[in-house]
Amino acid sequence: QKEVEQDPGPLSVPEGAIVSLNCTYSNSAFQYFMWYRQYSRKGPELLMYTYSSGNKEDGRFTAQVDKSSKYISLFIRDSQPSDSATYLCAMSANTNAGKSTFGDGTTLTVKP
Amino acid sequence: KAGVTQTPRYLIKTRGQQVTLSCSPISGHRSVSWYQQTPGQGLQFLFEYFSETQRNKGNFPGRFSGRQFSNSRSEMNVSTLELGDSALYLCASSPSDRAETQYFGPGTRLLVL
Repeated sequence: QKEVEQDPGPLSVPEGAIVSLNCTYSNSAFQYFMWYRQYSRKGPELLMYTYSSGNKEDGRFTAQVDKSSKYISLFIRDSQPSDSATYLCAMSANTNAGKSTFGDGTTLTVKP
Repeated sequence: KAGVTQTPRYLIKTRGQQVTLSCSPISGHRSVSWYQQTPGQGLQFLFEYFSETQRNKGNFPGRFSGRQFSNSRSEMNVSTLELGDSALYLCASSPSDRAETQYFGPGTRLLVL
């Protein structure tokens, strides 16, 4: 079993919908949690970076971490066609980039 | 500021050959990390270089190697290519090695026949 499991998708929603993307993990040492967005033929781009449990909001994006359940989520409000991409969760026991473990990604399509 | 650039963008090789991929980090960034991305295994860390020294290494065989030059540009080499090496190889640069300051390049897509 993988250390990080991500809802596989693909996910297709109408424009304006609220999107929920989710990951579970098994390593209780993970303290740093990240969400990346990857457009086709591009490298991943960091969207959200959170430490420990709680919520973090940035515009239409909200990252939620529940360490007791080993569960993290990314919510996208008022989704736009430009949000169509693959979303990767990643987590780490420390801040070192190379120590991050990534999920396999969820591909999201937002239809106009 | 120019982003991370990787060359070539696409590459086709045959089994047994070797390949060298290049990464030019964002100006001023001293850390360069390499990742392999495949549909089956996802994104996996290969190694990280900082000021010409390898600081971290992932769980890949010795066929995968890298180096960093004094101008922070980095190269990754894969020898004796196998079919399973077909992947998108991503380079990321950072002024430090912290995940929240890491910027990815567009990747080199390698196909091994």
